[in-house]
Amino acid sequence: NAGVTQTPKFQVLKTGQSMTLQCAQDMNHEYMSWYRQDPGMGLRLIHYSVGAGITDQGEVPNGYNVSRSTTEDFPLRLLSAAPSQTSVYFCASRSRTGGVTEAFFGQGTRLTVV
Amino acid sequence: AQSVTQLDSQVPVFEEAPVELRCNYSSSVSVYLFWYVQYPNQGLQLLLKYLSGSTLVKGINGFEAEFNKSQTSFHLRKPSVHISDTAEYFCAVSDLQGGSEKLVFGKGTKLTVNP
Repeated sequence: NAGVTQTPKFQVLKTGQSMTLQCAQDMNHEYMSWYRQDPGMGLRLIHYSVGAGITDQGEVPNGYNVSRSTTEDFPLRLLSAAPSQTSVYFCASRSRTGGVTEAFFGQGTRLTVV
Repeated sequence: AQSVTQLDSQVPVFEEAPVELRCNYSSSVSVYLFWYVQYPNQGLQLLLKYLSGSTLVKGINGFEAEFNKSQTSFHLRKPSVHISDTAEYFCAVSDLQGGSEKLVFGKGTKLTVNP
């Protein structure tokens, strides 16, 4: 069982470049989210989705776009990368059935913007 | 909105000593609490969760946590740590008020177990 899969694991971008971080889950979870992790800041929510076709902003959405066309996939797009977006990005998924459940995390994407 | 405070950013301990990692959350009517562990260069893994029922929750790797509603705390404990427990630990709260279902994390506590 693959769980939550993120690609790529590492990426270096130049300022102004765009890219898409991929996230896929095979657990049929309705809820998916993106976090960024910075030293001393914990995990901060960027965007989340409660189902296909539905997305909403989290705590730090500026500079990022998301879409959710299928239950399985939730890509995160950086439109014009900035050095402030250098971070480790985590995708997570949760089930919404059966009450509150824990989140399952991918292994992360380490992004450096130069 | 919910917030989570982890009172210690770093906790050094010796092997086989007990440890407590502290977590406080802002008050809410409906709250669900989690502890996650992150080993170096890996994703987050669930240690334990409190949804309802007994206030003492047991998790994996010998960890346990106690939910204290009056003190709005959810401290993590282990009676005897191992070198392999060296990791970063995150407390998280799920606030269902308003239907947002957001999972809010603390800033993390780095546990270093020394021989």
